[in-house]
Amino acid sequence: DGGITQSPKYLFRKEGQNVTLSCEQNLNHDAMYWYRQDPGQGLRLIYYSQIVNDFQKGDIAEGYSVSREKKESFPLTVTSAQKNPTAFYLCASSIAHTDTQYFGPGTRLTVL
Amino acid sequence: KQEVTQIPAALSVPEGENLVLNCSFTDSAIYNLQWFRQDPGKGLTSLLLIQSSQREQTSGRLNASLDKSSGRSTLYIAASQPGDSATYLCAGGANSGAGSYQLTFGKGTKLSVIP
Repeated sequence: DGGITQSPKYLFRKEGQNVTLSCEQNLNHDAMYWYRQDPGQGLRLIYYSQIVNDFQKGDIAEGYSVSREKKESFPLTVTSAQKNPTAFYLCASSIAHTDTQYFGPGTRLTVL
Repeated sequence: KQEVTQIPAALSVPEGENLVLNCSFTDSAIYNLQWFRQDPGKGLTSLLLIQSSQREQTSGRLNASLDKSSGRSTLYIAASQPGDSATYLCAGGANSGAGSYQLTFGKGTKLSVIP
């Protein structure tokens, strides 16, 4: 089955902790993205990567970090510097940067 | 910077009715526009992508149009079914302030199709 997987589905974090959200795709897509979704809000772009070993900040990158060491993987770390991390996080990929984006099932992060 | 608006925020229709969802955007230099569907607690499913050079795209009972001059896109759903109940999001693709392509999402229209 081709697609995008995200894990875990639910994640709980204590204040002051860093957590890493996983995103894997087997679609052979070059571009990958991380979005944040808050209730009643549109999706907001955190980071994106157009190619391995390269990534760019989106609109709300502060308090987050990413890596792109493999084409298939684009993990997102939510650091303790992110003051309001409770949200639904969505990963996406596309063949090229301007093509249709395909989304994973999401990770819901809650800060305790 | 691109802004995308979807009105109404929620819509309820009886089964079988044809309906139109609206999306407006501020940057007429849009590169493309994408429509997505989101079920509660799930990721987004791509429905249609319209390039800036196109006027419309069709997939089954769905038809999306794009009018760059007026800054509007519509998603037409024919013969609605209860399974169409979901939140529909539009996203405009344009150059961001940093000069790179970026999708800007609307807040969505929550559709309920009543049996």
